Amino acid sequence: DTGVSQDPRHKITKRGQNVTFRCDPISEHNRLYWYRQTLGQGPEFLTYFQNEAQLEKSRLLSDRFSAERPKGSFSTLEIQRTEQGDSAMYLCASSSRVGRGNEQFFGPGTRLTVL
Amino acid sequence: SQKIEQNSEALNIQEGKTATLTCNYTNYSPAYLQWYRQDPGRGPVFLLLIRENEKEKRKERLKVTFDTTLKQSLFHITASQPADSATYLCAPSLGYKLSFGAGTTVTVRA
Repeated sequence: DTGVSQDPRHKITKRGQNVTFRCDPISEHNRLYWYRQTLGQGPEFLTYFQNEAQLEKSRLLSDRFSAERPKGSFSTLEIQRTEQGDSAMYLCASSSRVGRGNEQFFGPGTRLTVL
Repeated sequence: SQKIEQNSEALNIQEGKTATLTCNYTNYSPAYLQWYRQDPGRGPVFLLLIRENEKEKRKERLKVTFDTTLKQSLFHITASQPADSATYLCAPSLGYKLSFGAGTTVTVRA
C-alpha cells in the first residue's frame, strides 16, 4: 500500500503526559499537512510543510504542539503536557504540487484520548 | 472570519434517489472547492475539485456545481446506493491548506 500511513492509530494517555505521532506521506509528495478533527466537526488545519520547511502554523497550535519533518520525508507531531481538550483525531495528509488544485490524500488518523 | 456551512441535518434517502448536499461559505472568495467523503473512524477521501471559473463538474454518479455569486456549491449523488452512506465534507479553499465544513451525513436506505 502506497498511501499515507499514521502511527499509532490510537493513543490513550493521562493528562500532563507527552505524546508523539508519526506520519509517513506518499513518497513522491513534497507537501505534508496536519489537521485535527473533533466529533461532529470537519478537520481543522494545524500546520503545513513543504519538503522539510514548516511554512505555516495555525493559531490553534499552541506552544505545547510542535511538528517536524526532518529530511522532508516522514513527519512527527508532538504534544507536550497533554490536556483533556487535546482529545481528538489527528489527521495527516500529503499532496504534490499546488498547481493541480491541491488534492490531498489523508491517512487513517491517530485518535488521541486524554484521561 | 471565514465561515463554511453545510446542511445541518443528516440526509436519509431511499436507494436510487438523488441526494443533494449544500455548502455555503462567507467572508472569502475561494479559488477552488473540493468535496471529500469520510467514513466513520477513517480519514477523508478526495472526490471532486471544481475551480472558480467552472460551473459544473461530473464524475460517474457525482455532480458538483459552484456558484461564486451565491457563494454556494451543490453536491449531487445520483442513483444513490447504500454504499454511498458516509459523511461528505466540502472544502472551499484559497491555497494549499483546506478549510472544511462540518460535513453532512448521508444514509441511503435499501
